[in-house]
Amino acid sequence: EVQLVESGGGLVQPGGSLRLSCAASGFTFGSYSMNWVRQAPGKGLEWVSVIGGGGVPTYYTDSVKGRFTVSRDNSKNTLYLQMNSLRAEDTALYYCAKKKEVAGVTYLGSWGQGTLVTVSS
Amino acid sequence: EIVLTQSPVTLSLSPGESATLSCRASQSVSNYLAWYQQKPGQAPRLLIYDTSNRATGIPARFSGSGSGTDFTLTISSLEPGDFAIYYCQYHSNWPLTFGGGTRVEIK
Repeated sequence: EVQLVESGGGLVQPGGSLRLSCAASGFTFGSYSMNWVRQAPGKGLEWVSVIGGGGVPTYYTDSVKGRFTVSRDNSKNTLYLQMNSLRAEDTALYYCAKKKEVAGVTYLGSWGQGTLVTVSS
Repeated sequence: EIVLTQSPVTLSLSPGESATLSCRASQSVSNYLAWYQQKPGQAPRLLIYDTSNRATGIPARFSGSGSGTDFTLTISSLEPGDFAIYYCQYHSNWPLTFGGGTRVEIK
C-alpha cells in the first residue's frame, strides 16, 4: 500500500524558511515523479512543483520560482520542499502526491494527508 | 497555460439524484483530463483519468466523458459519501493545472 506522510509544516514569519518532508513507502520511490500541491484555507488545489524520479527535471509554478526548491533522497524514500522568503500567500496545506504511472501523463494517484504552513507575523 | 473552468460552482442535489459536473478547457487538451474528489478534512482522491477511465476502486456510478475542450463528470444516483468537492485536472506541459472545483452539496 502506498503511504505518503508529510511533515515540517508550522508557523513562520514572513521572509522566513521551512523545509517540508514527505516520507514514502509501499512503492519503488525512485521510479516515480513526485509533486507538491498546496491548498490555501477554503480554496482550491494549486500545483506547486514536480521532480523526476532521478532528481531531474524539476518544475515550479511561477509564484514560487526562485524561492522554493524541490529535492529528493531516493536512498531514504523522502521528498523535500525547501521554502525560502515565505509570504503570507504561501499559507496553505501542502500535499505531496505521487504520479499514478511511471510514464505518460501526470495524474496524481496517491496523496499524503498534508502539512500546514502558516506564514504570519 | 491552459485554464480549466468548472461549472457550476455549487450543485445542490438530493441523495439518489444524478449529478452532472462540467469542466471546460481554454484550448484542446485531447483526452488528458482527470477528476478528483475531495471530502472535508481529507486529501483529494483520483476518480477518473484520461477522460473516462476509473481509477482503482472507484465505483461504476462515477463516469467521465468528453473530448477537446468540454468534459463531464457524471455521478449517477448520489450516495451520502459523494457529497464533496470535485476538481478537474490537466497536464501536458508544466504547470499542471486544476479547475476551481464544484461543490456537490446536499439539498
